[in-house]
Amino acid sequence: DTEVTQTPKHLVMGMTNKKSLKCEQHMGHRAMYWYKQKAKKPPELMFVYSYEKLSINESVPSRFSPECPNSSLLNLHLHALQPEDSALYLCASSQDGTGVPYEQYFGPGTRLTVT
Amino acid sequence: DAKTTQPPSMDCAEGRAANLPCNHSTISGNEYVYWYRQIHSQGPQYIIHGLKNNETNEMASLIITEDRKSSTLILPHATLRDTAVYYCIVRVAAGTASKLTFGTGTRLQVTL
Repeated sequence: DTEVTQTPKHLVMGMTNKKSLKCEQHMGHRAMYWYKQKAKKPPELMFVYSYEKLSINESVPSRFSPECPNSSLLNLHLHALQPEDSALYLCASSQDGTGVPYEQYFGPGTRLTVT
Repeated sequence: DAKTTQPPSMDCAEGRAANLPCNHSTISGNEYVYWYRQIHSQGPQYIIHGLKNNETNEMASLIITEDRKSSTLILPHATLRDTAVYYCIVRVAAGTASKLTFGTGTRLQVTL
């Protein structure tokens, strides 16, 4: 199974709402990622978890809060978002190790609209 | 990670080979060349990667020049389903999980 699943597929939320995006993989990968992609732009990294610990935060505003409850799950908690946060949010996973390049497997994304 | 340069768009007739170039003139000795593609409104899909030798898999071939300053992704028999944005990425095989830095990519349009 080489699949990364993301729920929901679409989400519309108001600026005062709290919502969460969910990502799941069952490939035994120990690295998981959140990317943000605005329309007609390439994906940009937000967070990296390695062995369930946050290893990279690309200076993301605190209204985005990642969580990795176990090695298969990755959440992104959203609170007090702005309309400019509307984007496609992509989750990815990969193996993790020293000196070996590992490809990242991406989910289909959650399309978020902030009203 | 080294920066890459790709043409913004290319066309290819269905059934013909699609050759997508990428320049990475500042690549370091320990950096790999990766190719991903993104079909409209889907997540990126890994295609192939290499260090210095040419590589082939069921999806594509990767040709890396001897000086490693450029590479070409070859889709041998392009189909309409290969229409996508293709990203060439150069990165180090880091000890911990490392990020992919996507450039602007090449939008490949395969036509009948």
